[in-house]
Amino acid sequence: QSVLTQPPSASGTPGQRVTISCSGSSSNIGSNTVNWYQLLPGAAPKLLIYSSNQRPSGVPDRFSGSKSGTSPSLAISGLQSEDEADYYCAAWDDSLNGWVFGGGTKLTVL
Amino acid sequence: QVQLQQSGPGLVKPSQTLSLTCAISGDSVSSNSAAWNWIRQSPSRGLEWLGRTYYKSKWYNDYAVSVKSRIAINPDTSRNQFSLQLNSVTPEDTAVYYCARSPDYDSGGYYAPNFDYWGQGTLVTVSS
Repeated sequence: QSVLTQPPSASGTPGQRVTISCSGSSSNIGSNTVNWYQLLPGAAPKLLIYSSNQRPSGVPDRFSGSKSGTSPSLAISGLQSEDEADYYCAAWDDSLNGWVFGGGTKLTVL
Repeated sequence: QVQLQQSGPGLVKPSQTLSLTCAISGDSVSSNSAAWNWIRQSPSRGLEWLGRTYYKSKWYNDYAVSVKSRIAINPDTSRNQFSLQLNSVTPEDTAVYYCARSPDYDSGGYYAPNFDYWGQGTLVTVSS
């Protein structure tokens, strides 16, 4: 059972906008920022969003992050077939003194 | 550009010790503004952070509660690398293992820890 909670699956058609939520508690998301990672089959995880809403250089602006209270989310607009992947949220947990991840969301592009 | 190159066996017998190494180029394991982590990924457990080592005037380690009793992460400053040892492995430890850097600050100087550079991953199978 993961410390952070994500929906196990999400889907959309090309061009659509999808959002993926991530919930936690006061010891992690409530007091620290959230990072989002993309896992493509056979590849190392890729940092998509850090500090809840910052994009590393090279990440398309179709990817955006937001944080409202303890409910951060990842949004992908203009969905493309290559966005089909697993997405994970992560945050530092002050009580566990370690990083925690969500269980991952499998995004399907229909 | 930071690069992390992993090495180590892909098959470990149950009850034995899993050992992996992560060689760093483009940064230093002794950096005062980064930590060096091990993370694993499996279909059943998703991504799981195992622990980290970092240097701030002295060496520190933090470990995940789930593996705290049987894990060690050690820096090797002479070779600019760090290692993972996981003792008493079982088939549940079968996973792809990654090393990753977590910097304290982003390029703008803001406090923004994350995992920005990753190793290529090593599939470790625990089986007799």
